[in-house]
Amino acid sequence: EAQVTQNPRYLITVTGKKLTVTCSQNMNHEYMSWYRQDPGLGLRQIYYSMNVEVTDKGDVPEGYKVSRKEKRNFPLILESPSPNQTSLYFCASSMGLLRGEKLFFGSGTQLSVL
Amino acid sequence: GENVEQHPSTLSVQEGDSAVIKCTYSDSASNYFPWYKQELGKRPQLIIDIRSNVGEKKDQRIAVTLNKTAKHFSLHITETQPEDSAVYFCAASRNSGNTPLVFGKGTRLSVIA
Repeated sequence: EAQVTQNPRYLITVTGKKLTVTCSQNMNHEYMSWYRQDPGLGLRQIYYSMNVEVTDKGDVPEGYKVSRKEKRNFPLILESPSPNQTSLYFCASSMGLLRGEKLFFGSGTQLSVL
Repeated sequence: GENVEQHPSTLSVQEGDSAVIKCTYSDSASNYFPWYKQELGKRPQLIIDIRSNVGEKKDQRIAVTLNKTAKHFSLHITETQPEDSAVYFCAASRNSGNTPLVFGKGTRLSVIA
């Protein structure tokens, strides 16, 4: 089944404790992206990747890191999480966003930083 | 960069009525305009999209219109049903360069039975 898999679904952590949210897609998609969703603010892009070893900042990259060593994986790293990073996070992928291809979203990760 | 404004932020309609959500964009080079629906507790999913060479596109009860001159596009849902209740996001992007998809802030649609 074609899908974008995010883990974990829920995560509670404390300020400063490094964490990684994993994202994997099995559709051979070139484009992958991370969004955070906060009430009233919609979907804001954190980082995106057009292909392997190519990553770019989105609208809200501060406090986050990503890597794209393989086509299928695009982990989101919070080196030192802070309470303002409490949010719902979505990973998404697409065959080619520049061609206007449909975005497939993962099921989301609800992160709480205490 | 691109900026997408979406209105209204919340919308309540009676079952069977029509609902219209409007978006404006700032980048005149944008040429791809998708709409995503997010049901409560679920992931966003594409419901319809339109490209700049088309003025209107319809899929059953859902239609999208695009006015490139005015830089706005709209989602129209006719004969609304309770299962249409969700948050709807518009987005815009251009099919060139290294520019990503930019989303509006979303519209929470409630269909009252």
